[in-house]
Amino acid sequence: GENVEQHPSTLSVQEGDSAVIKCTYSDSASNYFPWYKQELGKRPQLIIDIRSNVGEKKDQRIAVTLNKTAKHFSLHITETQPEDSAVYFCAARGSRGNNDMRFGAGTRLTVKP
Amino acid sequence: DTAVSQTPKYLVTQMGNDKSIKCEQNLGHDTMYWYKQDSKKFLKIMFSYNNKELIINETVPNRFSPKSPDKAHLNLHINSLELGDSAVYFCASSRIGGGDEQFFGPGTRLTVL
Repeated sequence: GENVEQHPSTLSVQEGDSAVIKCTYSDSASNYFPWYKQELGKRPQLIIDIRSNVGEKKDQRIAVTLNKTAKHFSLHITETQPEDSAVYFCAARGSRGNNDMRFGAGTRLTVKP
Repeated sequence: DTAVSQTPKYLVTQMGNDKSIKCEQNLGHDTMYWYKQDSKKFLKIMFSYNNKELIINETVPNRFSPKSPDKAHLNLHINSLELGDSAVYFCASSRIGGGDEQFFGPGTRLTVL
């Protein structure tokens, strides 16, 4: 099955700075890589995702890049705002489909005003 | 209109008891999941289920069993509760056939005393 590692576990930035979170995966057949944001006491919610046939995807201040050769993908948040503070999870869907969705351990992002 | 709902939101019980958590989705999705999020925020898939197939994560004890009365519901039954079962349990759903985004319920915080 899939195995996902995520770094850093905590990240603190000043408002307006950029934040980058990195993940690696083990299953070369993985084809879908979502990022979820979980605010304190809330449910995880999808913020952006990327498929294995795309190298980069952007949605306003959020972008994700994928390097299939190196088996790693990253989340980039620009012009961070205090409301970006949350735990972010990367995930990778392995070759066995949605039942093989593995999450990283999460990154707690704090944006200081 | 809540897309994925769970009841109860909080559940406090004694070791050895049997309890159930209910999940309902009104998105017309065909696949539902149960995740366990421990105190370190690590999200781990327990089950995925559609009307044809139940996929069980191999690390889930057989004290845990999903039951689906229809495709809009996937309830989680837990027998002989143990202290280590304390966690937040999230239900999620997605479209069948590799439908991508998983929509999470609000979570059920289970505390075993």
